[in-house]
Amino acid sequence: ETGVTQTPRHLVMGMTNKKSLKCEQHLGHNAMYWYKQSAKKPLELMFVYSLEERVENNSVPSRFSPECPNSSHLFLHLHTLQPEDSALYLCASSQERINVLNTGELFFGEGSRLTVL
Amino acid sequence: QQPVQSPQAVILREGEDAVINCSSSKALYSVHWYRQKHGEAPVFLMILLKGGEQKGHEKISASFNEKKQQSSLYLTASQLSYSGTYFCGTQVADSWGKFQFGAGTQVVVTP
Repeated sequence: ETGVTQTPRHLVMGMTNKKSLKCEQHLGHNAMYWYKQSAKKPLELMFVYSLEERVENNSVPSRFSPECPNSSHLFLHLHTLQPEDSALYLCASSQERINVLNTGELFFGEGSRLTVL
Repeated sequence: QQPVQSPQAVILREGEDAVINCSSSKALYSVHWYRQKHGEAPVFLMILLKGGEQKGHEKISASFNEKKQQSSLYLTASQLSYSGTYFCGTQVADSWGKFQFGAGTQVVVTP
C-alpha cells in the first residue's frame, strides 16, 4: 500500500453511538492532519499532529477525540455526535508540519463519509 | 481569515481557457493549489512562494502577486480531465504561518 489510507470509507451512526475513523500513512511523514469537508464550505482544519504530539486543535467540540499512537497512524474517535457533524472527514500528512518554518505538499486520503442520524 | 476564491463555479468547453483567483486580506508566504475530483482525495498541483514566480503543471499554470496578496490559476486549452473542484490554500506571512483553504471553485469541462 502507498499513500494515505482511510477506513471506513462510509459510516452511518446514531447520535448515541461511539465509533472511530482510522488513517494510515506509508510515506514516512512526520505530520498528520484531520480536516472536515462540508458542502459549499472550505476545508476546515480540526487537528494537527507533529511527531505524535498534538500541536493544533481548532476549537473542535470534545465529542471529537483524536489519537496518534505513532507517526503512521491517526484516529478520530467519535461519540454523541450531532446531525450537523455529517460530513466527509479527510486525513492528510506532510513531511513536516506546515508552519512559519516549513511549507510543503499535503497528501490526502480519500476520506470517510460520515452520516449521523 | 480564509482566502477568497472566485468564481465559485465555471463551465467551459474542451479547449477553452479559464482563470481562478484566490485572494487574501493578509500578507502571504505561500499559496498552494489542489484539485479534487468527485469522490476522490484532493491532489496537490503546485506551491508558489512569495517572489512572484509562476509555476506549471501540465497546461495548468499559476502566478502569485505578493503585493496584491493574490494568486491566479490558469487552465489553458482545458481537457475533460481538468473537471473537479480547485482549492487554493494560503500560508500567512506572520510568526505563525497559519495555513487555510479557500471554499473551492468547481470546474466542469464539457465535450
